[in-house]
Amino acid sequence: QVTLRESGPALVKPTQTLTLTCSFSGFSLSTSGMCVNWIRQPPGKALEWLALIDWTDDKYYSTSLKTRLSISKDTSKNQVVLTMTNMDPVDTATYYCARTQYSISKAIDYWGQGTLVTVSS
Amino acid sequence: DIQMTQSPSSLSASVGDRVTMACRTSQAISNFLNWYQQKPGKAPKLLIYAASNLQSGVPSRFSGSGSGTYFTLTISSLQPEDFATYYCQQTFRPPLPFGGGTRVEI
Repeated sequence: QVTLRESGPALVKPTQTLTLTCSFSGFSLSTSGMCVNWIRQPPGKALEWLALIDWTDDKYYSTSLKTRLSISKDTSKNQVVLTMTNMDPVDTATYYCARTQYSISKAIDYWGQGTLVTVSS
Repeated sequence: DIQMTQSPSSLSASVGDRVTMACRTSQAISNFLNWYQQKPGKAPKLLIYAASNLQSGVPSRFSGSGSGTYFTLTISSLQPEDFATYYCQQTFRPPLPFGGGTRVEI
């Protein structure tokens, strides 16, 4: 059974750095074809893809946010960490981590429940 | 970067209706196009991958088609539980953006 769960602060101040952890089970990021994404969704708005890390440790980022994002993995702990620097109120959103499999056209087949992050002083 | 455009942004329909929505990409992406359904307060759910492949457990009233730059998602007979927002996503080449969504409402 595949599960993913996001954890991190619910509230951050402007200019601070956000660190989110995705803890997963039911698969390994050392398995060929496995990847973990981060996606966010501001309240009432569309999904926004942020970043992906794959089993080879290749990393990909949203062009508009790449200077602020960093993604990393700890395969032994089954965790993926996303950091986003210089947080702003417009970054208020629900942040999801989600699994991608290359075998199904790199589609996202499992999602975490999401964690709401509010940016406010 | 590849840009995604979904249309319409919203549509009104009734139970039993046949509903079609579209997704266009700014560059050809072969069939690397996926569709998701999202209900309020919930994480999205994968419906269709590789443009036309039904994800396991998804009802057969959902179907996808297209290749290149134009794709469609069709619901053959709308059910009450299908009222939701639908998103497309390209996975041809990173970054991997989503479309702006199509909201299906009564």
